[in-house]
Amino acid sequence: DIQMTQSPTSLSASVGDRVTITCRASQSVSSYLNWYQQKPGKVPKLLIYTASSLQSGVPSRFSGSGSGTDFTLTISDLQLEDFATYYCQQSYSTPWAFGQGTKVEIK
Amino acid sequence: QVQLQESGPGLVKPSQTLSLTCTVSGGSIRSGSYYWNWIRQPAGKGLEWIGRFYSGGSTNYNPSLKSRVSISVDKSKNQFSLNLSSVTAADTAMYYCARASNYGNTKALDYWGQGTLVTVSS
Repeated sequence: DIQMTQSPTSLSASVGDRVTITCRASQSVSSYLNWYQQKPGKVPKLLIYTASSLQSGVPSRFSGSGSGTDFTLTISDLQLEDFATYYCQQSYSTPWAFGQGTKVEIK
Repeated sequence: QVQLQESGPGLVKPSQTLSLTCTVSGGSIRSGSYYWNWIRQPAGKGLEWIGRFYSGGSTNYNPSLKSRVSISVDKSKNQFSLNLSSVTAADTAMYYCARASNYGNTKALDYWGQGTLVTVSS
């Protein structure tokens, strides 16, 4: 089974900051990597698919990159509504697996 | 607009079987190349994929649960269901159903139910 590891597990940032979250797969997942945002008490929301493609309606300040085993999610110009937990997920092979999440908190 | 809604008991006794149903509206589970998934999330923790049903007929399960889990489909009611047997307190979680669609060469979870909280306790 493929394991997904995110870092950091949490971070504190201010509005307007640039934030980078890393996701590492235990083996190559090619570009079959998705990112989700989950706000407290809410359902996860698809942000990015195939590592770097922005889901419709997602602001362009979100971007993703990477392939193989190493991926990043970057939020440029962090906004108040971006404070949430972010999960990566590999869809390369079953069992699909999520990273443990990265909580972005207000500094 | 596709909508998914979970339903089922909120409290299950240890060693019993957890049974949940996901009702899909705004689209047919028979059509398209979609995967219909169950995912769970213990309070304050991360997401765990449980398994999926493909509209073409196959199912896949997480090996960590494989001996206890089954997913079935009732196409006439546009529903799919989760059964998890021999539950323990560790199975207490929010349970989500979600649809995975084709995105480029991969699949992503684009529609989710609101989730249903299941507590395992005597």
